[in-house]
Amino acid sequence: SYELTQPPSVSVSPGQTASITCSGDKLDDKYACWYQQKPGQSPVLVIYQDTKRPSGIPERFSASNSGNTATLTISGTQPMDEADYYCQAWDYSTGVVFGGGTKLTVL
Amino acid sequence: EVQLVESGGGLVQPGGSLRLSCAASGFTFSNSWMSWVRQAPGKGLEWVANIKQDGSEKYYVDSVRGRFTISRDSAKNSLYLQMNSLRVEDTAVYYCARAQSGYYTRYYYYYMDVWGKGTTVTVSS
Repeated sequence: SYELTQPPSVSVSPGQTASITCSGDKLDDKYACWYQQKPGQSPVLVIYQDTKRPSGIPERFSASNSGNTATLTISGTQPMDEADYYCQAWDYSTGVVFGGGTKLTVL
Repeated sequence: EVQLVESGGGLVQPGGSLRLSCAASGFTFSNSWMSWVRQAPGKGLEWVANIKQDGSEKYYVDSVRGRFTISRDSAKNSLYLQMNSLRVEDTAVYYCARAQSGYYTRYYYYYMDVWGKGTTVTVSS
């Protein structure tokens, strides 16, 4: 079955750039998307089709997908960005696949 | 306003059954793939099942195949998850989500753009 791997945690200082990676075999042959989940809340889509932002998502959220790695980048990270982030892709044999999630700490 | 509202969660004994419902509003339900996603306490997101717009295609994660059944009723704008033979490890918050899917350039995409607030299922004796 297809798997996506994320680092369990990433730390960043306010105003700096945070990068969260998501690794999977030939991931750039698939579309990756990213969700943000704050404690006690439902997930929110922040990136879809590798690089696109839904309406209402701040421009500081961007992403890329190349080779085996998709990367979510948050520029000028704010305290409100502290959350868990999940990558997700579709695999023909496995179905919907989520990464294990990354806890972003802003300190 | 686009909205998904889950219901039907609760406490059930191992081996028992439960039926979750998801009421959709604010969009054309019959035009959308729909998914169930769960999250065990303190754990990450896990896709459970999804269903095509007309119900003709259904997919499940291996761990629930044969025990869970996803279905939909477009007349009622509702999505369902029938859960049988429940196990302790099925304990989780279950989210209903609207999906967007299709082909763009060369690849197929599937992502969930609207989520409900979830309903909690606890399997315990």
